Amino acid sequence: DTGVSQDPRHKITKRGQNVTFRCDPISEHNRLYWYRQTLGQGPEFLTYFQNEAQLEKSRLLSDRFSAERPKGSFSTLEIQRTEQGDSAMYLCATGGTNYGYTFGSGTRLTVV
Amino acid sequence: KNEVEQSPQNLTAQEGEFITINCSYSVGISALHWLQQHPGGGIVSLFMLSSGKKKHGRLIATINIQEKHSSLHITASHPRDSAVYICAVLPGAQKLVFGQGTRLTINP
Repeated sequence: DTGVSQDPRHKITKRGQNVTFRCDPISEHNRLYWYRQTLGQGPEFLTYFQNEAQLEKSRLLSDRFSAERPKGSFSTLEIQRTEQGDSAMYLCATGGTNYGYTFGSGTRLTVV
Repeated sequence: KNEVEQSPQNLTAQEGEFITINCSYSVGISALHWLQQHPGGGIVSLFMLSSGKKKHGRLIATINIQEKHSSLHITASHPRDSAVYICAVLPGAQKLVFGQGTRLTINP
């Protein structure tokens, strides 16, 4: 149990379908981050929230991607019209400068 | 060129050997993190450094801010240390920038 719960752990979907992932921090943190990791690479930043406000989005986050954190606690990441290039591990993390970071176990997406 | 470079990319060693993984970065940072990732994806934070050296059990992390370089050392390595070790830097106050990771395999 890492302190950040992600659901589902694995998702296989057909190209063109929409998928939604959820991230639940066990304890309250102001900052919540989404990263994407492809095979053999380090994670890449997607977006982050300060409470419920989405403060930064990477250019990796195309119009098909949307993230929310409606109450400043859990967050969702939705991908519309999935493409094979979206196949990756999607990681959620909480924390920040002085506190270190806590990562979830990730959601592995496979688009077939 | 990536902002964070790790070497080696892959490392295989025998149980008991002393392990060193290196991380070089090209930007000014407020902190550097060493992370461990096991198969299945979960990432565990090992160290957060802004200067000097930290030690936790058999793991030691050092950083040289002037040279923009950090090392992670494992003494008396064990097969359970097999994992991907990732260096990540904090250029500002917000998001981490990650290296590509070093895959470590310790054989019994």
